[in-house]
Amino acid sequence: QKEVEQNSGPLSVPEGAIASLNCTYSDRGSQSFFWYRQYSGKSPELIMFIYSNGDKEDGRFTAQLNKASQYVSLLIRDSQPSDSATYLCAVNKNYGQNFVFGPGTRLSVLP
Amino acid sequence: GAVVSQHPSWVICKSGTSVKIECRSLDFQATTMFWYRQFPKQSLMLMATSNEGSKATYEQGVEKDKFLINHASLTLSTLTVTSAHPEDSSFYICTPTGRPMEAFFGQGTRLTVV
Repeated sequence: QKEVEQNSGPLSVPEGAIASLNCTYSDRGSQSFFWYRQYSGKSPELIMFIYSNGDKEDGRFTAQLNKASQYVSLLIRDSQPSDSATYLCAVNKNYGQNFVFGPGTRLSVLP
Repeated sequence: GAVVSQHPSWVICKSGTSVKIECRSLDFQATTMFWYRQFPKQSLMLMATSNEGSKATYEQGVEKDKFLINHASLTLSTLTVTSAHPEDSSFYICTPTGRPMEAFFGQGTRLTVV
């Protein structure tokens, strides 16, 4: 079992819709969870992080964490074509340790 | 926020030559730098961890004699790909630690070995 799993996609949604991206992780000791957006040929950009169970909202983005289910998700409201990218889920076990990345989900927002 | 400068952003080199990639943390002292590699259509995989003033630690399957890491100061870590071969062509990315809640990456270096 891979440490961090994501559906590779592509996930296609129409412009203005809600895009839902999911991620599961295997290590129950994981502490922090991150969502990155990566455009082709570019370095990942941090969207948001979450470390407590529940929801965390930032603009059009909402991260949801359920540690009991070892599940973290990212919702993108009012999706725009510019949101088309690969979204990487990353997990951090402890302060100062490296991130473990999922394979990424490719999102395509259709105009 | 943290600013990480990585140089060069892209490089093409001949097989058998060496390439050095620099990663600088511009606004804080990075005692540790993580180096990741990303092959096309794959996710980021940790290659090695560089520690200021001590030897780097390498992930399983990464040759330490091929990927030389130097972390001589708190603001600079370098990765040298020695005797590069086409299979080393990849996207190399660095990120410092110390602020896990704001993980910023360097711009990445696209290495193409011909």
